[in-house]
This record gives sequence, structure tokens and C-alpha cells, in this order.
Amino acid sequence: GESVGLHLPTLSVQEGDNSIINCAYSNSASDYFIWYKQESGKGPQFIIDIRSNMDKRQGQRVTVLLNKTVKHLSLQIAATQPGDSAVYFCAENVPGTYKYIFGTGTRLKVLA
Amino acid sequence: DAGVIQSPRHEVTEMGQEVTLRCKPISGHNSLFWYRQTMMRGLELLIYFNNNVPIDDSGMPEDRFSAKMPNASFSTLKIQPSEPRDSAVYFCASSLTWGVHEQYFGPGTRLTVT
Repeated sequence: GESVGLHLPTLSVQEGDNSIINCAYSNSASDYFIWYKQESGKGPQFIIDIRSNMDKRQGQRVTVLLNKTVKHLSLQIAATQPGDSAVYFCAENVPGTYKYIFGTGTRLKVLA
Repeated sequence: DAGVIQSPRHEVTEMGQEVTLRCKPISGHNSLFWYRQTMMRGLELLIYFNNNVPIDDSGMPEDRFSAKMPNASFSTLKIQPSEPRDSAVYFCASSLTWGVHEQYFGPGTRLTVT
């Protein structure tokens, strides 16, 4: 798993702009990835997932891109809204299990 | 559906005391997960169950931690004795079945050990 520092990286985005949140994962054999959103005082909430045999998956206003060559995930949020303000985590599956290793998280701040 | 229910939402206790955290998964969900979240270590999986049976407890920090799932609708995470370094937010999550990856998290229990 990844170690976590005291401070989360923060992305500040103007309302209406697109957001891109990045994540590096550790295991090249991981076959399933999930993005979660965590609002203050709440538990993580599932946003979108992607299997390792895909490069891209789209949901409502969100797109996840997977680059297996460099072990990189990104979450794109279109037309960012104030309600998108939260901490976003990527999670990678431990192959052969239903265990997930969560990334450090990125705080998204939406500026009015 | 009420979602995953956890109690208490906040717990403050003194070092050495026993702490019991409770979780009710979403009805019909067969898999249950306990996580701990701290600023230093992020979100860590402690243990998970499938059909009430513990599958992997390798994330449990030490023998002071124990978890049970006596039936499909209830699980406990117990810390005895508690220590200040156990202070964290503890989340319970459930998923529909063994083959489904999406997990639904509860609101968490914020534990403070003084």
C-alpha cells in the first residue's frame, strides 16, 4: 500500500471548468480499479470503476482513464460543481481477492 | 434502504478501556469490510467477511483487535485494551456478493482514545 503524509494534495478548480485528478497505482497485476468520493464527515462513496482490460470508461459527468504502461489512473469531472468538492480516492484491487488498496487521496476545491 | 449503519458515530474513551464498534450492513449484502482511516496512514482494510465468515484478517493491527459477524445483519469490531494510537475513524462497508466489487460505506465511527 501507499504511505500517507500529513497533507493531502489539493486541486482548486473554478466552477464550470473540468477537473482532472490523478492517481498512481503500485501493482501492475491489479485488474480492477475504483474511484471513490469522500465528503467531510461521511464515508467514501463509489463513483466509477474500470477493469484492467479497458482504457477508458465514462459515467455521468465523469470519465476514468487507465494507462497500464505507466500504472496511472485519472478521473475527469466535467463542468465541476460546488457539490463536487470532496476528497477523491483511487483504489486498486489486490489480484485474486476482494481487497483494495486505497491511494492517498486528492482534495478537490471548487471555487465559485 | 437506510444504507450501512454504524454506531456509535463518536466514541471517546480512556486508554485501557474496551471499545466496541457496531455495523449493520445493507440488507441482502453478503460481504462486509472493516476499515480504519487516519491522516497518517489513509484508509486501511482491517478485515473482511463473506457470508459471515472472516476471509482475511491480515490487516488487523494486533491481538487487541477482534471482529465478529454473528449473523448476516450485524458485525462488531472490538478493541481491548484501547490505546491512544487507535484513535481514528473506523468505517464499515458492505457489498452485494463475492463477485461484486462496489462497496457501500457507512458514515464511520470517530474513535478518540485519551
